[in-house]
Amino acid sequence: KQEVTQIPAALSVPEGENLVLNCSFTDSAIYNLQWFRQDPGKGLTSLLLIQSSQREQTSGRLNASLDKSSGRSTLYIAASQPGDSATYLCAVRQDTDKLIFGTGTRLQVFP
Amino acid sequence: DTEVTQTPKHLVMGMTNKKSLKCEQHMGHRAMYWYKQKAKKPPELMFVYSYEKLSINESVPSRFSPECPNSSLLNLHLHALQPEDSALYLCASSQGPGTPPYEQYFGPGTRLTVT
Repeated sequence: KQEVTQIPAALSVPEGENLVLNCSFTDSAIYNLQWFRQDPGKGLTSLLLIQSSQREQTSGRLNASLDKSSGRSTLYIAASQPGDSATYLCAVRQDTDKLIFGTGTRLQVFP
Repeated sequence: DTEVTQTPKHLVMGMTNKKSLKCEQHMGHRAMYWYKQKAKKPPELMFVYSYEKLSINESVPSRFSPECPNSSLLNLHLHALQPEDSALYLCASSQGPGTPPYEQYFGPGTRLTVT
């Protein structure tokens, strides 16, 4: 059974820092991995999707990498801003039409 | 347009009430999903519709009844709910089987409170 965990569970940093959020999964037979952002009480916003054949994807200040063989993905946030404060979730898709979510990282960026 | 809409935004209902949640997308997606999310927990999959047919039911109690009237609409009918069913209900859509990259797009959710 696939299990997805995220470290750290919570992170508080000053504005301007570069951040790395970690996601690990136990079964490397994934189709893709998706990173989401969720603001309190809101829906999920898709940030990046990495196909199993890809190593990384970039969007603005965000960069996500994938090492399928070791069961790891990282989300790098450059020059963090208070507006980046949210919960970040990773999710893996296997051969069925299901996403299995990680436990999430709550990020707070203070001015 | 990558928007999934959900109505209502908030819903308070008694345990004997019958209510429905609605989800709509106009991206031409053929797979639609219902998730339940409790506070400080990740979303949990409830149902998946693929080409308007129910393809996955994650052993959800029968007091939750999904319906997919057409490829753009997804409903969740609620009846005789329990207080522990209070949660954020999220709808999502994706292009559907056989159409990668299978990126899921989520709506803003309905905050449900059962009294």
